[in-house]
Amino acid sequence: RKEVEQDPGPFNVPEGATVAFNCTYSNSASQSFFWYRQDCRKEPKLLMSVYSSGNEDGRFTAQLNRASQYISLLIRDSKLSDSATYLCVVRKAAGNKLTFGGGTRVLVKP
Amino acid sequence: GAGVSQSPSNKVTEKGKDVELRCDPISGHTALYWYRQSLGQGLEFLIYFQGNSAPDKSGLPSDRFSAERTGGSVSTLTIQRTQQEDSAVYLCASSEAAGAGYEQYFGPGTRLTVT
Repeated sequence: RKEVEQDPGPFNVPEGATVAFNCTYSNSASQSFFWYRQDCRKEPKLLMSVYSSGNEDGRFTAQLNRASQYISLLIRDSKLSDSATYLCVVRKAAGNKLTFGGGTRVLVKP
Repeated sequence: GAGVSQSPSNKVTEKGKDVELRCDPISGHTALYWYRQSLGQGLEFLIYFQGNSAPDKSGLPSDRFSAERTGGSVSTLTIQRTQQEDSAVYLCASSEAAGAGYEQYFGPGTRLTVT
C-alpha cells in the first residue's frame, strides 16, 4: 500500500462549480500536510499547508482528519486556470523529506 | 529573486552511460532535496542535504545513484550505468532551513531519457 494515496481522476468540473477530493495517508507519524499544485510538465508549487483546524485560502479550503487519516481539498467557483494536478504531501515530524501522493487531476471546462 | 535552477533541462543518454544532473538552489537556502517523478508515478524522495550534516540517502534506489553538494550550495546527482527504468524527471528543491515550517521550492527539473 502506498503511504499517500489519491484518486488520480480526472475530475471534470464545469466552470464555476465546486469540486472536492481527498487523500489518505497510512503513517500515523505524519505531522505536516500540504497541497501542492503541478501544471503539465512544470514543477510542483505549494498551494497551501493544511492545519488541524482546517484552513481556507480564497476559493480553496483544506481539511485534516487525523482520526481517519485523510486530508481534503475543496475548490469553490472553479476557474479554467484551476486545471492542474493536485498533489497531496505529508511530512513526518522527525524528518524533512516530503512524501507525495500520485496526484489528482482536475480539468475545469467552460 | 532567482529560483532553483537545474541543468540540463533535457538529457537523452544511452543505456550504460553515466549522467550528471546539476542543481543550483536558491541563494542562502541550507537544505537541498532531490526527487524524481516517473511517468504515471508520484514524486519519489531520493536524497536530502542540510548544511554540513551527513546527507539522508534513504531514498536512493541503488548504489548506481550518488549525490554531492559542494560548498553547501550547488549539488550534482550522478547516475552510473544508466538503465531504462532510470528515465524520469529529476527534481531538485531547496528550503531556507530544515523543518516543517520551511517551504520547499522546486526547480523545473531535468527530463532524463535512457534509450
